[in-house]
Amino acid sequence: QKEVEQNSGPLSVPEGAIASLNCTYSDRGSQSFFWYRQYSGKSPELIMSIYSNGDKEDGRFTAQLNKASQYVSLLIRDSQPSDSATYLCAAEQGAQKLVFGQGTRLTINP
Amino acid sequence: DGGITQSPKYLFRKEGQNVTLSCEQNLNHDAMYWYRQDPGQGLRLIYYSQIVNDFQKGDIAEGYSVSREKKESFPLTVTSAQKNPTAFYLCASSRHVGQPSGTGELFFGEGSRLTVL
Repeated sequence: QKEVEQNSGPLSVPEGAIASLNCTYSDRGSQSFFWYRQYSGKSPELIMSIYSNGDKEDGRFTAQLNKASQYVSLLIRDSQPSDSATYLCAAEQGAQKLVFGQGTRLTINP
Repeated sequence: DGGITQSPKYLFRKEGQNVTLSCEQNLNHDAMYWYRQDPGQGLRLIYYSQIVNDFQKGDIAEGYSVSREKKESFPLTVTSAQKNPTAFYLCASSRHVGQPSGTGELFFGEGSRLTVL
């Protein structure tokens, strides 16, 4: 079993709709979770971090964490073509390193 | 401007050769990391270092070596023992070590794309 799992997609969403990206993790000791966005051929960039159960909102992005279900999600409201990218979910393992999922490729259709 | 510089961006290697990828940061970060990314895959950790002159193996360290002689520099050598080295290599750094949420906020370089001929 992979430590962090994501649906690799591709996920196709019409412009203006809500994109929902999901991630599960296996290590119950993980306390910190992150969403990175990676455009094709580029390096990842951090877009959201979440440490407590519940929702965390930042502009059009909302991260959700449910530690009991070991589930993390990212919602993108009012999706734009510029949101088309691969989204990587990551969980902190111990206090030293991140474990990444395989990423979900998101396409926003105009 | 502060950031992480990786070089070269593109590198071609013949089988049996060792190659070294450079990573330099001027962010004054303690921790540095090397990840490998294959097409359609996530990032896999090769090596990481939290302080100068100390480093730990990640999940796929076989066939790779690193050094951390200076805080700013963390070069990665891909040796001939690495059987399938063609990949996108990403160097990253983070500000805090050993604190909750610290190591998750990684800053990445632009990557080095290695191709074995």
